[in-house]
Amino acid sequence: DADVTQTPRNRITKTGKRIMLECSQTKGHDRMYWYRQDPGLGLRLIYYSFDVKDINKGEISDGYSVSRQAQAKFSLSLESAIPNQTALYFCATSGAGANVLTFGAGSRLTVL
Amino acid sequence: GQNIDQPTEMTATEGAIVQINCTYQTSGFNGLFWYQQHAGEAPTFLSYNVLDGLEEKGRFSSFLSRSKGYSYLLLKELQMKDSASYLCVPFTGGGNKLTFGTGTQLKVEL
Repeated sequence: DADVTQTPRNRITKTGKRIMLECSQTKGHDRMYWYRQDPGLGLRLIYYSFDVKDINKGEISDGYSVSRQAQAKFSLSLESAIPNQTALYFCATSGAGANVLTFGAGSRLTVL
Repeated sequence: GQNIDQPTEMTATEGAIVQINCTYQTSGFNGLFWYQQHAGEAPTFLSYNVLDGLEEKGRFSSFLSRSKGYSYLLLKELQMKDSASYLCVPFTGGGNKLTFGTGTQLKVEL
């Protein structure tokens, strides 16, 4: 099994729908992150969490919310999806300090 | 703030050696990561340099000069599967909130 599992891997939805992307990790790490990647652009941080009671906004949090249900689970929600949220979304986890980020395989979201 | 400069694209021949340079300017510096990302896939960790000098790991080596704000990734015995983006990512502390640029797109040709 993968260290970081994202579901769904692919999703097509319509404008205005609520969408949840889920992420779970088996690394036992406290820190989890959500990034999005658009074609030709770098990864941009949406939200991050350093432990179950900690949630922080990244550089592009508008239109998104997150929930840290447990140490191993970090979900990303789009309350009312819009077409410019079409992107590839990555969840990642790391230990404390300068630790390596381990990414999930990505969730490709298309908003029509 | 953070400024990272690396070439947008590079092309090299299978079996050859290629060096991908990166210069950076950051407010605070704790180390530098190199990640590899194949198109449509997640980034994967290649190396992390904290001290000046060369770190070798198989076909891949990474060099850091903190005083010059300079790093390079050296790939030897290039293989077709090395065609990917290579991301130079300075780590400035602050909880591992890494800032990823677009990296260098390497194309390996026959």
